Amino acid sequence: DPKIIQKPKYLVAVTGSEKILICEQYLGHNAMYWYRQSAKKPLEFMFSYSYQKLMDNQTASSRFQPQSSKKNHLDLQITALKPDDSATYFCASSQERTGDNERLFFGHGTKLSVL
Amino acid sequence: GEQVEQRPPHLSVREGDSAFITCTYTDPNSYYFFWYKQEPGASLQLLMKVFSSTEINEGQGFTVLLNKKDKRLSLNLTAAHPGDSAAYFCAVSARGGSALGRLHFGAGTQLIVIP
Repeated sequence: DPKIIQKPKYLVAVTGSEKILICEQYLGHNAMYWYRQSAKKPLEFMFSYSYQKLMDNQTASSRFQPQSSKKNHLDLQITALKPDDSATYFCASSQERTGDNERLFFGHGTKLSVL
Repeated sequence: GEQVEQRPPHLSVREGDSAFITCTYTDPNSYYFFWYKQEPGASLQLLMKVFSSTEINEGQGFTVLLNKKDKRLSLNLTAAHPGDSAAYFCAVSARGGSALGRLHFGAGTQLIVIP
């Protein structure tokens, strides 16, 4: 059973629209993250949350907004979609404790295509 | 910022041969080092996390070498088998604080093991 659930697995959107990528983790972790994997680019860190609070934001655009309604949820809202936003978005989580903060567990990803 | 270079981008080996992948990084403050495996359509699976310098770390069917002096991280798959065919990613991160969960990934190596 997957412990980090991302929905949907595939998503097609038109330019200018808005979409929400869902992420739920059942590992009991208190830190969650979003990463993006674009074609021809390495996996890139976007956001980190700890206890539902934003810790780090490496995304230049305000069109990307994480939303954490529960401790084990971190959704990603993307507005005014552009073709360059096409990528696979990975959610990840970890247990924040000494020596293990960086042991990340990843979801299967949501592949977003913007036409 | 941190730059992680991974080589080679593609690698084909025969079953039973070794497969060697190397990453170099730039930030001398990098503290944690990782190798992830990603099979087609699947999430990233952590193979190993290391942080000791110039140490050989052995996993099941592979060896990881970290050389902090040269800022080099290597993965050697010994006696590769077709089940090892996947994309492999190295990642590095700084220690704690604002670096929580912020991994810098290499671009990946697509490994094919030919039966």
